Amino acid sequence: GAVVSQHPSWVICKSGTSVKIECRSLDFQATTMFWYRQFPKQSLMLMATSNEGSKATYEQGVEKDKFLINHASLTLSTLTVTSAHPEDSSFYICSAPSGQDNSPLHFGNGTRLTVT
Amino acid sequence: QKEVEQNSGPLSVPEGAIASLNCTYSDRGSQSFFWYRQYSGKSPELIMFIYSNGDKEDGRFTAQLNKASQYVSLLIRDSQPSDSATYLCAVRFSDYKLSFGAGTTVTVRA
Repeated sequence: GAVVSQHPSWVICKSGTSVKIECRSLDFQATTMFWYRQFPKQSLMLMATSNEGSKATYEQGVEKDKFLINHASLTLSTLTVTSAHPEDSSFYICSAPSGQDNSPLHFGNGTRLTVT
Repeated sequence: QKEVEQNSGPLSVPEGAIASLNCTYSDRGSQSFFWYRQYSGKSPELIMFIYSNGDKEDGRFTAQLNKASQYVSLLIRDSQPSDSATYLCAVRFSDYKLSFGAGTTVTVRA
């Protein structure tokens, strides 16, 4: 089945620093990837849609200058949390559809970010 | 506003029983529906997807879709302790974005 690899699985950083999270589709090409965020005991909230070769589209309320997304190739998308603050501590999960628009999303293992 | 609603739970069932999970959605134009299972601290894993009205069975899992009622459900037969997790209903709305319900936590008692 389709595999999405996400790295790192966890990271601890200090306030004000930036953190980069990588998401790779291992056995398929993904022109679109999705970044979600999940706070404890809450559901997944879509942050942005990463588009290969063009700018990402962000959901309402998500700061594009704070959460930088780059979709460098058909198998790699990165999310950089810039100037991180404790309130950015969360579980960040990337996902990609393996086929047509209707196909299920396959999720990476997620990145647990803790900002101290 | 596009919404996905799940019965809040938690749902506790004895081992071997049927667990029934419900989900409603607001966008009548939605075409694809998914059930994911999420263990604590892990990312969601796909259990089933359904696109057409009716039932779809896969092993111990059955998804049911009724587009007229904007309702999708998941039945887990012969529940096992390993089924204890949070189950997320996800709906792909007409703008192709996947939205998730809040999840229903299921506990299977041995």
